[in-house]
Amino acid sequence: GESVGLHLPTLSVQEGDNSIINCAYSNSASDYFIWYKQESGKGPQFIIDIRSNMDKRQGQRVTVLLNKTVKHLSLQIAATQPGDSAVYFCAENIQGAQKLVFGQGTRLTINP
Amino acid sequence: SQTIHQWPATLVQPVGSPLSLECTVEGTSNPNLYWYRQAAGRGLQLLFYSVGIGQISSEVPQNLSASRPQDRQFILSSKKLLLSDSGFYLCAWSVGTGELFFGEGSRLTVL
Repeated sequence: GESVGLHLPTLSVQEGDNSIINCAYSNSASDYFIWYKQESGKGPQFIIDIRSNMDKRQGQRVTVLLNKTVKHLSLQIAATQPGDSAVYFCAENIQGAQKLVFGQGTRLTINP
Repeated sequence: SQTIHQWPATLVQPVGSPLSLECTVEGTSNPNLYWYRQAAGRGLQLLFYSVGIGQISSEVPQNLSASRPQDRQFILSSKKLLLSDSGFYLCAWSVGTGELFFGEGSRLTVL
């Protein structure tokens, strides 16, 4: 569910390493999930999505894993680059609803 | 291709003054439209969404209102701003329950 009042958790990784960002969602009726990347002062940008009938989906350098049993979503970024530094949000769509519910967000910092 | 425009990009307003943020979408018909607010260093809070002209759903009680006078126009308003209204406001659109496409945001500072 939404945790909009909390400060963002942070994750720091060395450039070139892999990073994993985790997200717990609240509603077992959620059927669609999206990861967004938000750079400072900009609107969120789509990274990758996954539907509830899948447990893994891969893109370019990114992989999303979905574990419906424990209602957990993760975003893996391979071979991180300085441009990956941003805030990452997961979002869930509750089946039948016309809106996405965003998770808390994680601030990822890539260290040179 | 579809585009979303949001303005103004930045706004500094005194407490008690009115507010109007405007958002328009091009290249699509009958989109779902959304207003989100983001406080500094925090997550995204859904304020309003609309599935059609004149149809507004409010997610949280607050000092703000929204209107959709045309299919691809979404306006966020306030009659009297509070300090707590400061934040980064994001307009977004979607078709059905799919991916959300966000505008570049409007940063509001209430003094």
